[in-house]
Amino acid sequence: LAKTTQPISMDSYEGQEVNITCSHNNIATNDYITWYQQFPSQGPRFIIQGYKTKVTNEVASLFIPADRKSSTLSLPRVSLSDTAVYYCLVGDGVYQGGKLIFGQGTELSVKP
Amino acid sequence: DAGVIQSPRHEVTEMGQEVTLRCKPISGHNSLFWYRQTMMRGLELLIYFNNNVPIDDSGMPEDRFSAKMPNASFSTLKIQPSEPRDSAVYFCASSLGQGITEAFFGQGTRLTVV
Repeated sequence: LAKTTQPISMDSYEGQEVNITCSHNNIATNDYITWYQQFPSQGPRFIIQGYKTKVTNEVASLFIPADRKSSTLSLPRVSLSDTAVYYCLVGDGVYQGGKLIFGQGTELSVKP
Repeated sequence: DAGVIQSPRHEVTEMGQEVTLRCKPISGHNSLFWYRQTMMRGLELLIYFNNNVPIDDSGMPEDRFSAKMPNASFSTLKIQPSEPRDSAVYFCASSLGQGITEAFFGQGTRLTVV
């Protein structure tokens, strides 16, 4: 499984755009990149998934360069409620069920 | 669907006692995962099932831990005997499988062993 590296923590202010970058230098051809969000006292929640280029949904955007050795989760105009831990996962999306391995995550703190 | 349901939400037990955590996955999901989360070790995958069959239990810490999935709608994680270092939040998650890596997590069981 590809190892991921992301910042331990980030601070931001309400209304700002936040970009969290994840490095995954040994990503395999079959690997997908998935981001989860975890609020205190809750289980992780799926945010977005991509394979290459750019993916956007109602919550976030995911930017993946051509070499796929990194990815950036972009949260537009964050609010206090976006304070959470964000996990970057890389794994074989083809394998049945997948094996989801979580790293340390990035603790995002949004201030007023 | 009510999502993944775990019980109990909180459990306090004495060292040496048996603890059983329960999970009801989302109907129709083929994969089920058990995780443990602590401040020190983060979110660890303990075991995962596919179509009720354990696929990978390499994350199970030791023989005191066991997990079963007797049918598609129920799984248990048992710790016998429990130790204070087992104190953690235990999450159950399920996914559709077949290449889908979006997993849905339950609210977790906070276990305290005193």
